[in-house]
Amino acid sequence: AQTVTQSQPEMSVQEAETVTLSCTYDTSESDYYLFWYKQPPSRQMILVIRQEAYKQQNATENRFSVNFQKAAKSFSLKISDSQLGDAAMYFCAYRRTGDMRFGAGTRLTVKP
Amino acid sequence: DAGVIQSPRHEVTEMGQEVTLRCKPISGHNSLFWYRQTMMRGLELLIYFNNNVPIDDSGMPEDRFSAKMPNASFSTLKIQPSEPRDSAVYFCASSKGQREAFFGQGTRLTVV
Repeated sequence: AQTVTQSQPEMSVQEAETVTLSCTYDTSESDYYLFWYKQPPSRQMILVIRQEAYKQQNATENRFSVNFQKAAKSFSLKISDSQLGDAAMYFCAYRRTGDMRFGAGTRLTVKP
Repeated sequence: DAGVIQSPRHEVTEMGQEVTLRCKPISGHNSLFWYRQTMMRGLELLIYFNNNVPIDDSGMPEDRFSAKMPNASFSTLKIQPSEPRDSAVYFCASSKGQREAFFGQGTRLTVV
């Protein structure tokens, strides 16, 4: 079974600064999807960004971007110009043809 | 679209009682997931349906748990009998094809 590892249980960033959250995954497949989800205290799971493995270009959504290293099986999330509203749990997820597997999550604190 | 709708939002029940959680996926989505979230175990995939058919139920903890999807617009997760260790937030999510999953608001279950 595919596994997703987030090695940083907690991270902290100063408002307006940049922070990078790490994610690695294990798979023998070549075609799959990767995602980052955000879960604020409201507990709603919100999609932040997606990356198709066949695309070499790193995905970007406004202040959120990824560094996708397929050979290294690494998928990190960079948040630029951090805002107080970015404080949340962040989950990395992997999906191939069927189910979607999540990492353990990283709790991000944003300091004013 | 109203998004994925789960009911109830909160459920408190006594040990030994039957609990039924309900989910209405987004119209047109053909995949449905049930997840359980706890502090200790994170987000666990319980069961995955594709076109109303259960594809992977390896995450269902034991025979006390059962899930059904009688049609494309409705699914249930039943726990009978419930135990205190079943206390968690249960999420339903749906997707179209192999893309990202959209989550409901979750049901917070407390078994006393």
